[in-house]
Amino acid sequence: NAGVTQTPKFQVLKTGQSMTLQCAQDMNHEYMSWYRQDPGMGLRLIHYSVGAGITDQGEVPNGYNVSRSTTEDFPLRLLSAAPSQTSVYFCASSYASEPPYNSPLHFGNGTRLTVT
Amino acid sequence: KNQVEQSPQSLIILEGKNCTLQCNYTVSPFSNLRWYKQDTGRGPVSLTIMTFSENTKSNGRYTATLDADTKQSSLHITASQLSDSASYICVVSATSGTYKYIFGTGTRLKVLA
Repeated sequence: NAGVTQTPKFQVLKTGQSMTLQCAQDMNHEYMSWYRQDPGMGLRLIHYSVGAGITDQGEVPNGYNVSRSTTEDFPLRLLSAAPSQTSVYFCASSYASEPPYNSPLHFGNGTRLTVT
Repeated sequence: KNQVEQSPQSLIILEGKNCTLQCNYTVSPFSNLRWYKQDTGRGPVSLTIMTFSENTKSNGRYTATLDADTKQSSLHITASQLSDSASYICVVSATSGTYKYIFGTGTRLKVLA
């Protein structure tokens, strides 16, 4: 049982480059989401999805795109990387996408991105 | 503004000792409160989830308490082990709004032998 798998683990980009962070889960979870974790700050929601074909913006969506063509996969695209996007990115999934949201979030082990 | 504040920021204890981490929140309306453990270089792992009607929940040596009236929670770790060294994150879920989960900045715990 793999859970939530993120690739790559590490990535270095130059300013202006684009890339896709991959996220896959094998638990048939409806809810999937992307967070970024920066020093001294709590995890912040970038984008989320409550099912295939449905996505919505979170707290810090600018500079990122997502799509959800299947239940299993939720890739995050950086359109034109900027140094401010240097961060650790976590993908998370859960069963419950509607209240009372009592299903635990399952996190991947993150992608550490550096933009120079 | 919905916020989750944790204290202390960091804590060092000796192996075998107990400790208590605090979480205060201003999230409204409130759905549930979660505690996660995050090892260095790994993603957070769920420890407990409590709804507003629950005031205590245990997971092995971890016991979480919740006072929905004062909007405070604590995570008590009993007989600490070296493997408890990690960051502990308090997360509050709101029943409405786009940002379903509001994360605290965490308490970094180090357990020394």
